Amino acid sequence: DTEVTQTPKHLVMGMTNKKSLKCEQHMGHRAMYWYKQKAKKPPELMFVYSYEKLSINESVPSRFSPECPNSSLLNLHLHALQPEDSALYLCASSQAGRRGWYTLHFGNGTRLTVT
Amino acid sequence: DQQVKQNSPSLSVQEGRISILNCDYTNSMFDYFLWYKKYPAEGPTFLISISSIKDKNEDGRFTVFLNKSAKHLSLHIVPSQPGDSAVYFCAARAYSGGSNYKLTFGKGTLLTVNP
Repeated sequence: DTEVTQTPKHLVMGMTNKKSLKCEQHMGHRAMYWYKQKAKKPPELMFVYSYEKLSINESVPSRFSPECPNSSLLNLHLHALQPEDSALYLCASSQAGRRGWYTLHFGNGTRLTVT
Repeated sequence: DQQVKQNSPSLSVQEGRISILNCDYTNSMFDYFLWYKKYPAEGPTFLISISSIKDKNEDGRFTVFLNKSAKHLSLHIVPSQPGDSAVYFCAARAYSGGSNYKLTFGKGTLLTVNP
């Protein structure tokens, strides 16, 4: 079982909907990430939170809004998405600091379909 | 521009033989390289890593080799087992300012180990 839990596993939403993806970890990690993966493509970094503060935003459109309410939780709020935003959204966590910033622990992802 | 390249989309080997997965990179600022394994419907799981100051790291059946002058790394799996069948992602870490590091992933290689 993965130690990073993502909900829901699947999500279908219309372009006018507002939805949220949730991610939770209890490994004491202080860095959390959102990645987006399209079919036959590598995971692409979207956001990084370090000690609950947004530290990296890879020029992601504002229709994606991340939130880190505490050190265990990471949310991704979705609004007015486009069909091309359909993808697998992966959450990951790691220890913060130089030694930890590569051993990412991934969740199983949320498969998002925008209709 | 792809900084991490896995030029073989797929590889098929017989059980018990060696599997060699290759990865090339272009950014000389990468300081850590790692391999992740991904089964369908699961998130990537960390497999093995190597620092840029080393040329080999071994963990059980898995060995990663790094050739810095050629900007090339490879993952050797000996002996290969059917359970190793998965997509293998090569990833590389680079410092991105402040206390932030970023992982860049290759497109992945689908390994199939035939019984």
